[in-house]
This record gives sequence, C-alpha cells and structure tokens, in this order.
Amino acid sequence: GQQVMQIPQYQHVQEGEDFTTYCNSSTTLSNIQWYKQRPGGHPVFLIQLVKSGEVKKQKRLTFQFGEAKKNSSLHITATQTTDVGTYFCAGFENYGQNFVFGPGTRLSVLP
Amino acid sequence: EAQVTQNPRYLITVTGKKLTVTCSQNMNHEYMSWYRQDPGLGLRQIYYSMNVEVTDKGDVPEGYKVSRKEKRNFPLILESPSPNQTSLYFCASRNNQGIGYGYTFGSGTRLTVV
Repeated sequence: GQQVMQIPQYQHVQEGEDFTTYCNSSTTLSNIQWYKQRPGGHPVFLIQLVKSGEVKKQKRLTFQFGEAKKNSSLHITATQTTDVGTYFCAGFENYGQNFVFGPGTRLSVLP
Repeated sequence: EAQVTQNPRYLITVTGKKLTVTCSQNMNHEYMSWYRQDPGLGLRQIYYSMNVEVTDKGDVPEGYKVSRKEKRNFPLILESPSPNQTSLYFCASRNNQGIGYGYTFGSGTRLTVV
C-alpha cells in the first residue's frame, strides 16, 4: 500500500526562525492536503495542492507540490508561538478513495 | 455552525463490553471517515464511507464496525473492545464532489479500554 513519510518528526525552533517540513509518498498522489493539529486539538485543514509544481501561499506559510506529484513541502517564515502544533500531509492513494495521512511533524517554537 | 460532532469525548470501558461512538455532521457531506491516532503512528484510517450504505475498510479495520444508514451519521462500533484499541479517535467528513475537498474533523473521542 501507499506510504506517506514526513521529515523531520520533531523540530524545535526559536521564535522568528524559519521552519520546513517535507512530505514524500511512495506513489503518485492525485492531490495533497495539509493539516495542522494544535496540542490537544483536532486536525484542521489548511490547504490543498493539485497541480504538478504548484506553489501556494497563506501569509507566512508556503506550500509546494513536487513536479512528479510524489512530494510536497510546507515552509513557515518567521515562526510565531501560534505556529506550535503538528503538521500533517495527506493524499489519496493512487487516485483511489483511501485517504492516507503522513505521520506528521511536531513543531515547537521557543519564545 | 458547520461541524462534525462526536460523542462521547472521553470513555473508559472494560474489555469485551460493546460500545458505540457516534458521529454526526451537518454539512450534507457524502464522504465520512474514522481515524485513530496513536503516538508515533499518526492518523490511521479505520473505515470510510462514500455515501449512504457504502462503506469500505481503511488501513486498520480489524475489531471495528461501521454503518451508514443516514447521510449525516456514521457511528463506530466496537463489538468486543480490547486494550490495544485504547486510542484517540476522530471522525471526519468532506464533500465528495471531485477529489479536492479538505476534511472537517470532529473534536475526538479518547477511549481507554482496561
């Protein structure tokens, strides 16, 4: 079956530093979605990327979808304490209906 | 307010005692899904449903049952819970039009089986 991996597993940054998490799939993804889960909360949908090579921005967050549609990245510029949480990528397995999440990257931001 | 409602939020039960976790959404979403979240393993899909009376297994369906008799409800049933089913469970729903809509998650149910 499909495997979706994310690195790093954990990241500790000083407030104001940048942060990047990488998502890699063993198979081609029809699209990729990113979610954020605050400590003690539930995952919240951030964005979806569909096209090969697509780049989208949400304020300080930049999302990229790889040319081969097998990898993606999330970059946060100048992190803030409100960015703390776990970031998950997710996608559909081989254009099917089984929606698979990566294991997540937990971000800690030190004030 | 558009939301996915799960109940209960917390549950402690004993091995073998049947339980049901309810899930309801008010967004008229076709697609609903159950996930369990365990430390180091992320979110793993248990079952999903593309529409009423249509359900399919996810990655970890053993020990669970689901039903989708109405569009808004998607209960998760544990016929004979075991300690390895202690976990944080999330119900989620999305619009099934095309492949590109994000999930809306419920607040979660923390289940402990002793």
